[in-house]
Amino acid sequence: GQNIDQPTEMTATEGAIVQINCTYQTSGFNGLFWYQQHAGEAPTFLSYNVLDGLEEKGRFSSFLSRSKGYSYLLLKELQMKDSASYLCADPRAGSYQLTFGKGTKLSVIP
Amino acid sequence: NAGVTQTPKFRILKIGQSMTLQCTQDMNHNYMYWYRQDPGMGLKLIYYSVGAGITDKGEVPNGYNVSRSTTEDFPLRLELAAPSQTSVYFCASRPGQGGDYGYTFGSGTRLTVV
Repeated sequence: GQNIDQPTEMTATEGAIVQINCTYQTSGFNGLFWYQQHAGEAPTFLSYNVLDGLEEKGRFSSFLSRSKGYSYLLLKELQMKDSASYLCADPRAGSYQLTFGKGTKLSVIP
Repeated sequence: NAGVTQTPKFRILKIGQSMTLQCTQDMNHNYMYWYRQDPGMGLKLIYYSVGAGITDKGEVPNGYNVSRSTTEDFPLRLELAAPSQTSVYFCASRPGQGGDYGYTFGSGTRLTVV
C-alpha cells in the first residue's frame, strides 16, 4: 500500500521476542491497525491504536507514535503458529477505507 | 453467526469469460469492501460500499463492477476475464467509519484466469 512501509520478511526463533515495524504517512491520521494473515487464509484483526503508547494483549503488544508516524507490533514468547504475515493498515481520516502495507512475512524457526 | 461468507472458494476461468464473486454478511454492517491480493503484495481495494445503493471505486477498479442492492450482499462482477485478474479476492465488512472497527474478512476466493 502506498505510504505505508514494513519490512518484507523477518525470521525469529521459537520462544524469542520479535518487533515488526511500520511507518506511515502522518497527515490525516486516524489510528493504525495490525492484522495477522496465515498463508492461504484471510487476515484477522490483531490490534488498533489511536493514542500514543503501548497496548498489550497477551503475547502481542502494539505501539504507536503519532508524531513520528511509527508503529510496531511486538510478539513475545514466539510460537511456531506465529509464522504468518503481519499487515499494518491505516484508516486515513475522511476516508471509508483502510490502506494496507504489503505485510511482513514472519518465519518462526525452532 | 456466519460473519462474512464468500463463494466460490476456488474458480478457474478462461480468458473472456465472466463470473460473479458472491459476498454476504449477517452482521448488519454498513460498509463492505472488495480487495485483491497478489502474491507478495498487499491488499488492494477494488470497490467499496458505505450502504445499500451506494458504491464507489477503490484503487484498482478496472475490469470489475459491483452492486449493493441490500445491506447483506455485495457481489463483484468480472465481465471479460483477463490473466491479470488472477488473484485472491477478499470481501470484508465493518460496522461504520471510525472507532475500533476493524474489518471482518471472508475466507477468500482464489481465481485463476487461463
